[in-house]
Amino acid sequence: NAGVTQTPKFRVLKTGQSMTLLCAQDMNHEYMYWYRQDPGMGLRLIHYSVGEGTTAKGEVPDGYNVSRLKKQNFLLGLESAAPSQTSVYFCASRSDSLSSYNEQFFGPGTRLTVL
Amino acid sequence: KQEVTQIPAALSVPEGENLVLNCSFTDSAIYNLQWFRQDPGKGLTSLLLIQSSQREQTSGRLNASLDKSSGRSTLYIAASQPGDSATYLCAVPQGGSEKLVFGKGMKLTVNP
Repeated sequence: NAGVTQTPKFRVLKTGQSMTLLCAQDMNHEYMYWYRQDPGMGLRLIHYSVGEGTTAKGEVPDGYNVSRLKKQNFLLGLESAAPSQTSVYFCASRSDSLSSYNEQFFGPGTRLTVL
Repeated sequence: KQEVTQIPAALSVPEGENLVLNCSFTDSAIYNLQWFRQDPGKGLTSLLLIQSSQREQTSGRLNASLDKSSGRSTLYIAASQPGDSATYLCAVPQGGSEKLVFGKGMKLTVNP
């Protein structure tokens, strides 16, 4: 099992450009999450999904959109990138089994720089 | 609102020491608590998950305890090794939501 994978690993954008980050998991997990990690701010939840076709806002959703068209994939989009979106982005997933409730498994991250 | 604190922010020890990492949270109504390890430039690796009904959980040289009433969890690392050097984070779910609230982490350096 590859677990949770993210593409790309690194990206540099200019202000105003758009891009999509892809997260894929092969654990048949229902729940998927996008976080951003910034120095001094810790990890913050951007958006999440509780199943295929669903999405919901997290703590810092502004400037991002997400889609979960397939159970195994969760896409994070930036329509018009801003320097404030320079960060490391992590995807995570978890099953809905009560025995492992809320144990989240993380991907390796995408380091995004917006100039 | 749930808040998670990890003190100290950094710790440097010689190899072989038994270590205690602390995590405190403000809302004791939690389902569980999760400890993670993060290596520089890498993602988070789940170390241990303690359910609210459990008092402790063990994996190899790691042992995590949970005291909900006092809002504390402790991660014990036995016989520390240089390979244990990393940032350790604890996280609890915010009540009634999918949000995990993370501590800022504790950067551990184990010197050979």
